[in-house]
Amino acid sequence: EIVLTQSPGTLSLSPGERATLSCRASQSVGSSYLAWYRQKPGQAPRLLIYAASIRATGTPDRFSGSESGTDFTLTISRLEPEDFAVYYCQQYDRSPWTFGQGTKVEI
Amino acid sequence: EVQLVESGGGLVQPGGSLRLSCAASGFTFSSYDMHWVRQATGRGLEWVSAIASTDDTYYLGSVKGRFTISRENAKNSFFLQMNNLKVGDTAVYYCAVITSDGIYWGQGTLVTVSS
Repeated sequence: EIVLTQSPGTLSLSPGERATLSCRASQSVGSSYLAWYRQKPGQAPRLLIYAASIRATGTPDRFSGSESGTDFTLTISRLEPEDFAVYYCQQYDRSPWTFGQGTKVEI
Repeated sequence: EVQLVESGGGLVQPGGSLRLSCAASGFTFSSYDMHWVRQATGRGLEWVSAIASTDDTYYLGSVKGRFTISRENAKNSFFLQMNNLKVGDTAVYYCAVITSDGIYWGQGTLVTVSS
């Protein structure tokens, strides 16, 4: 199975700052089938980005996704209060789906 | 609009059974693979099972032989029959689908396995 490793584990930033989250895959992810989610306590994960760089409906344009080989990046250009949460990457190229362990963005 | 609604969670003793349901709307249900993903409290996301549009089924190793996934296309629903439940199965269970315009999840149903 494809193992996804997210870094850093925790990111301590302030509102208005830029956040850069990384997700490294253990092997190639075909067709860029990589998604990013934001999850707040007690809520289901909310899809932000799919196909590595396509913003989901309703995702603000401060969120952007990119890829370089097996390295994927989620960038939040200016952190809003609602962005302080846990972020997960997911590959859906091959079964089983796999997820990174998460990056917590905290104030 | 794609919507997924889970039901059937609850409290069960170790060794007991539960049947989760996921009702889908807003897309051609019979044409898509459907998935179950779970999340234990304070932990990450873990894929559990999937059923393809062809009715092929797939399972996480630790649930194989205990969980059975099925679907009923006429009712736009799919199910997860969970038998011989273990304390380690305690989690929120989400149903999910990938369509041409994104990945959709339900709000989840809580399964608690405890004596």
